[in-house]
Amino acid sequence: KAGVTQTPRYLIKTRGQQVTLSCSPISGHRSVSWYQQTPGQGLQFLFEYFSETQRNKGNFPGRFSGRQFSNSRSEMNVSTLELGDSALYLCASSATSGRIEQFFGPGTRLTVL
Amino acid sequence: DQQVKQNSPSLSVQEGRISILNCDYTNSMFDYFLWYKKYPAEGPTFLISISSIKDKNEDGRFTVFLNKSAKHLSLHIVPSQPGDSAVYFCAARDSGGGADGLTFGKGTHLIIQP
Repeated sequence: KAGVTQTPRYLIKTRGQQVTLSCSPISGHRSVSWYQQTPGQGLQFLFEYFSETQRNKGNFPGRFSGRQFSNSRSEMNVSTLELGDSALYLCASSATSGRIEQFFGPGTRLTVL
Repeated sequence: DQQVKQNSPSLSVQEGRISILNCDYTNSMFDYFLWYKKYPAEGPTFLISISSIKDKNEDGRFTVFLNKSAKHLSLHIVPSQPGDSAVYFCAARDSGGGADGLTFGKGTHLIIQP
């Protein structure tokens, strides 16, 4: 089985812009979670989608949003980018919502200038 | 407030010896614990997990021990190999609450010396 794929792998944006990141889960997996990794805060949970519905949400401002499509692919959007949004954004998939083992993609490295 | 803490940012171990990575947590509602390994430029890779109803889980060279009363878990790698050099993340989940996904520690960088 192919693993979790994320596109693009690297992205450079400027403050105030918006960005959309994409994640394709492992075939057959229906749950997709997003995480932000920064040197200071480590890995922090953003949100989880299952069957096109947001099931859980972490403690992030409303500028961070996401959606999931009927084929389980997910997108994450960040509007009005700030310098502090520079991070590695990781997507993880699992077979069902609440399944403990999550399988991560390689991440998208976002740099905000 | 960090609910999952890995107090050692780095650990150096000789090849062939035992590596012990530690993790402490504060939320007594956590009932599943996981260890992930991460190489640079890659996403974390799931290693091993343990339910709070157990105190030990073993998978090949990897063993996780859970001490609920101390809110402490550890990952033992025996014997350590050069390919084990990576950052190891401890993660926890409150499956009953379900609200927060996985809560991760900040990681321990394990370096295996030849």
